[in-house]
Amino acid sequence: GENVEQHPSTLSVQEGDSAVIKCTYSDSASNYFPWYKQELGKRPQLIIDIRSNVGEKKDQRIAVTLNKTAKHFSLHITETQPEDSAVYFCAAGSNYQLIWGAGTKLIIKP
Amino acid sequence: DGGITQSPKYLFRKEGQNVTLSCEQNLNHDAMYWYRQDPGQGLRLIYYSQIVNDFQKGDIAEGYSVSREKKESFPLTVTSAQKNPTAFYLCASSGGAGGIYEQYFGPGTRLTVT
Repeated sequence: GENVEQHPSTLSVQEGDSAVIKCTYSDSASNYFPWYKQELGKRPQLIIDIRSNVGEKKDQRIAVTLNKTAKHFSLHITETQPEDSAVYFCAAGSNYQLIWGAGTKLIIKP
Repeated sequence: DGGITQSPKYLFRKEGQNVTLSCEQNLNHDAMYWYRQDPGQGLRLIYYSQIVNDFQKGDIAEGYSVSREKKESFPLTVTSAQKNPTAFYLCASSGGAGGIYEQYFGPGTRLTVT
């Protein structure tokens, strides 16, 4: 079946440094690529999303890039802060359904 | 918070019992979803509904059932046929006309079956 691979599973960065999380999808029909942040014991919340007609989108310290030819997209967080510590999920979808990556635990070291 | 609610937050059941998880939304969204989350894994789709009185199986529908009698409500029943039901269950809803859009999640129900 269709799947989304996400790497790395754990990422530890120094506070103030940048973090990059990468995802690869298999379904060429996918046209919507959201990123969600989930803090421990809480619900996932959307932090940024991109559609297939756009190559890059930025919102303050967060950016997402999409390479449709290679079927991969990435989340970039700059100037990381302690409150960025969480699990981040990527997803790819079309026609009402999302296929989710396994998640990346981001640890911000003081 | 608000917009989509799930109850209860924690649920304990004995093996062999069916249990129903509640999900309600006041966002006027047409689409609703049920996911299962296990430690170290992504979200896996159990069922989804694009419109009232219609629903589709997801990747792991075996042992689960749903109904969508009202736009606002999408309850999930975990039956005794589900072999490993202990998990964190998340309900979500999504609006927009056709296609796929942001999914808004409820706070989740943590089900423990012993």
